[in-house]
Amino acid sequence: AQKVTQAQTEISVVEKEDVTLDCVYETRDTTYYLFWYKQPPSGELVFLIRRNSFDEQNEISGRYSWNFQKSTSSFNFTITASQVVDSAVYFCALSQKLTGGGNKLTFGTGTQLKVEL
Amino acid sequence: DTAVSQTPKYLVTQMGNDKSIKCEQNLGHDTMYWYKQDSKKFLKIMFSYNNKELIINETVPNRFSPKSPDKAHLNLHINSLELGDSAVYFCASSQGRTAVIRELFFGEGSRLTVL
Repeated sequence: AQKVTQAQTEISVVEKEDVTLDCVYETRDTTYYLFWYKQPPSGELVFLIRRNSFDEQNEISGRYSWNFQKSTSSFNFTITASQVVDSAVYFCALSQKLTGGGNKLTFGTGTQLKVEL
Repeated sequence: DTAVSQTPKYLVTQMGNDKSIKCEQNLGHDTMYWYKQDSKKFLKIMFSYNNKELIINETVPNRFSPKSPDKAHLNLHINSLELGDSAVYFCASSQGRTAVIRELFFGEGSRLTVL
C-alpha cells in the first residue's frame, strides 16, 4: 500500500523566513513519481513539481526548491524568503501507474503554511 | 480558457436529494478522475476513467455513479444524499497513455453542502 506522511499540520512563519515542508512516503514500487501541489485559500489545486524515483537531483525554481532523498524516502519542499502569497495548504503526493491507463495519486494530509507580515 | 471546468461550483441541497456535478476538460487528455476533499482537507480518489472506461472505483458507495459520455467529460451523479457527502469534489485529468506518469490538472472544485 502506498502512503504519504506530512507530519507538520500547520507552520507559521514571518515573511522573509525560509521554511521547509516535510514529506515522507512509503511504496513497494521501484518506479514511482512524487508531486507537490499548492492549495491557496481560493481552493484550487495548483501543480508545483513532479519528480521520478530515478532522478535524485535537487530542483530549484525561483524561491522554491525540492530535496529528494530516496535513502530516507523523503521529498521535502523549501520556500526561501517566504511571502504572504505563499500562505496555502501544500500537499505532497505519490503516484502509482495503472495498467488501464492514467495514474492514481495518493495524497498526504497537507501542511497549512501561514506567512505573516 | 479553463483547462478543467466543473459545474456547479457550489451546491446546497437537502438530505435525500439527488444531484449531479459535471466536468469537462479541453486538454485532450484521455484520463479523468474524481477526488473528494473532506472538511479536514484530506484528498482521496473516488473514480478514474480512461477513454470512457472505468479503471478505478475506490470503495465508494453505489449512491455515487460516474458517467463518461466521451473522454473529455466525466460527470458525477449522487443519489440519496447524506450529511457525510458534504465535501469539495474535484475533477482532474491527465495524459494517460504515456510511458511516464504525468501530473493531474484539477478543476476548481465543487463544494457540496448537504443540510
